[in-house]
Amino acid sequence: GENVEQHPSTLSVQEGDSAVIKCTYSDSASNYFPWYKQELGKRPQLIIDIRSNVGEKKDQRIAVTLNKTAKHFSLHITETQPEDSAVYFCAASIRSGYALNFGKGTSLLVTP
Amino acid sequence: SQTIHQWPATLVQPVGSPLSLECTVEGTSNPNLYWYRQAAGRGLQLLFYSVGIGQISSEVPQNLSASRPQDRQFILSSKKLLLSDSGFYLCAWSLLWRGSTDTQYFGPGTRLTVL
Repeated sequence: GENVEQHPSTLSVQEGDSAVIKCTYSDSASNYFPWYKQELGKRPQLIIDIRSNVGEKKDQRIAVTLNKTAKHFSLHITETQPEDSAVYFCAASIRSGYALNFGKGTSLLVTP
Repeated sequence: SQTIHQWPATLVQPVGSPLSLECTVEGTSNPNLYWYRQAAGRGLQLLFYSVGIGQISSEVPQNLSASRPQDRQFILSSKKLLLSDSGFYLCAWSLLWRGSTDTQYFGPGTRLTVL
């Protein structure tokens, strides 16, 4: 089946450090790759996304890179702050194009 | 602007009882609609998606079903709940961008506990 693998499952960094979360996908037809942030008890919120015709996208402290050849994409958070603590999910569009497959999530803890 | 509603917000049901969760979207037409389930501390499992009225695609075989009686209404149902149905149920909507899903926006969710 079409899978999205996400690593690491937990990540602890000190405030001000950078955090990197990596995902790989198996469906070569995937063309849309969003990242969501979910705080405890809340709904997932989109933080950044990238399409297959772009290799990198940046929004302030957050960036996403995509390597289509290797079928992996990564989330980079610089100058982390305690409020960045949450679970982060990557996703990739599935072959039909209408839906997404999600990774299992990364629990990020930023300690002051 | 678009808004997505889900109700109820929380639900406690006994094993074997029926279930009906409702999701409605405002401010857009012909959205793609999705039902996800999230078990405690786990990822998002796609259950159903719909690209139009009466069109339902099932991703996981189970005792749940979905219906889309109106363009902006999506309902998740079960005739008999199992303990394993407990979880956080999220509805989401998106539009298409060049034939593929665009950003998915999630509703506030329903927390279901089956006892």
